[in-house]
Amino acid sequence: EVQLVESGGGLVQPGGSLRLSCAASGFTFSSYWMSWVRQAPGKGLEWVANIKQDGSEKYYVDSVKGRFTISRDNAKNSLYLQMNSLRAEDTAVYYCARGVVHPDYWGQGTLVTVSS
Amino acid sequence: QSALTQPASVSGSPGQSITISCTGTSSDVGSYNLVSWYQQHPGKAPKLMIYEVSKRPSGVSNRFSGSKSGNTASLTISGLQAEDEADYYCCSYAGSSIVVFGGGTKLTVL
Repeated sequence: EVQLVESGGGLVQPGGSLRLSCAASGFTFSSYWMSWVRQAPGKGLEWVANIKQDGSEKYYVDSVKGRFTISRDNAKNSLYLQMNSLRAEDTAVYYCARGVVHPDYWGQGTLVTVSS
Repeated sequence: QSALTQPASVSGSPGQSITISCTGTSSDVGSYNLVSWYQQHPGKAPKLMIYEVSKRPSGVSNRFSGSKSGNTASLTISGLQAEDEADYYCCSYAGSSIVVFGGGTKLTVL
């Protein structure tokens, strides 16, 4: 059974940093592109970033470029999102998802709240 | 990276059919047959319902179907059931390994 479990969310002050993790199981993690998608409270889905199987290619939505870094550790079946210089508008549930074109499995999400 | 346009809400009675539209541009929906649709119940993760415009993942009811014409994709749900009440999001590949989502449509089953 495919499982994606996010962790690392929480309350952080504006300008602060947070690192999200996603533990994958039930499939060959190293064979898939992976994505982060977020959803602000009461709002729609927004693609944030994705990463190629070997980590050699990474892409970001314009609003997080230069602040967020996606990475992965295939030996640990884990996906990460390092978030720096956080802003109030980054407040959202962050989902880890398998794939890029049509992510087919999603985690339950981890809530990130940016507030003073 | 502009969001795709969906109606904010649609509604229908049990047994009826409804269609949700998703309008993009010639750079995303119009250029690729890579439109997908997601169902999201409150407090839950999105669930893939349709991919590559009209394909259904294993386990998804054949009451769900998808289509595309030009820059607009559509999701049709036939034989509406109470359990279909949820938010629905379209998603399109936009080139360069980027995807864009629609703003979401709230489906109410009357």
